[in-house]
Amino acid sequence: DAKTTQPPSMDCAEGRAANLPCNHSTISGNEYVYWYRQIHSQGPQYIIHGLKNNETNEMASLIITEDRKSSTLILPHATLRDTAVYYCIVSYAGNNRKLIWGLGTSLAVNP
Amino acid sequence: GAVVSQHPSRVICKSGTSVKIECRSLDFQATTMFWYRQFPKKSLMLMATSNEGSKATYEQGVEKDKFLINHASLTLSTLTVTSAHPEDSSFYICSAREPSGTIELFFGSGTQLSVL
Repeated sequence: DAKTTQPPSMDCAEGRAANLPCNHSTISGNEYVYWYRQIHSQGPQYIIHGLKNNETNEMASLIITEDRKSSTLILPHATLRDTAVYYCIVSYAGNNRKLIWGLGTSLAVNP
Repeated sequence: GAVVSQHPSRVICKSGTSVKIECRSLDFQATTMFWYRQFPKKSLMLMATSNEGSKATYEQGVEKDKFLINHASLTLSTLTVTSAHPEDSSFYICSAREPSGTIELFFGSGTQLSVL
């Protein structure tokens, strides 16, 4: 599985958009980009995933560059409850695929 | 969305005892479950992949005789930490995937194990 690079930490003001970048320059053509988050002392929570098109759901938007070497997770109106570690992972979609977790980005949403 | 329930959320035990952690998929059948371990300020490390009705596949460096995994039904997998020692103290997390074709994983809430 390809590796990803994320900034270790970011800050965001409550109510503003949080844009979390991820570099995955060695991604293969059939690897998906997944985003999860982990609030302190809890299990990770799935946010969104995509292959090549931009995606949006009730939680966030995922923007993938045309060359697929990087992506951005957008939380449109961050709240204090969005304070968490955000993980960007690239992986194949096989049944027994393993997710390789990096250190993610620690997002602090400030009042 | 699918729900994965993990119990207990926190356990404190004496060194040398065994601890069992349960992971249940509440509204779907999980043919595959995963067990992770996470140390403070570190990322999740995959310990093993558990397939229903067969032996678990352990990652390199994970002792299968120490971390016993049982996946006897499509909705339940258990992790037993045998003869626990203080260095086994960690946050243990399970996850499961629906077999119907969805590709995201659903996670339990985690178990904080403290071995005294």
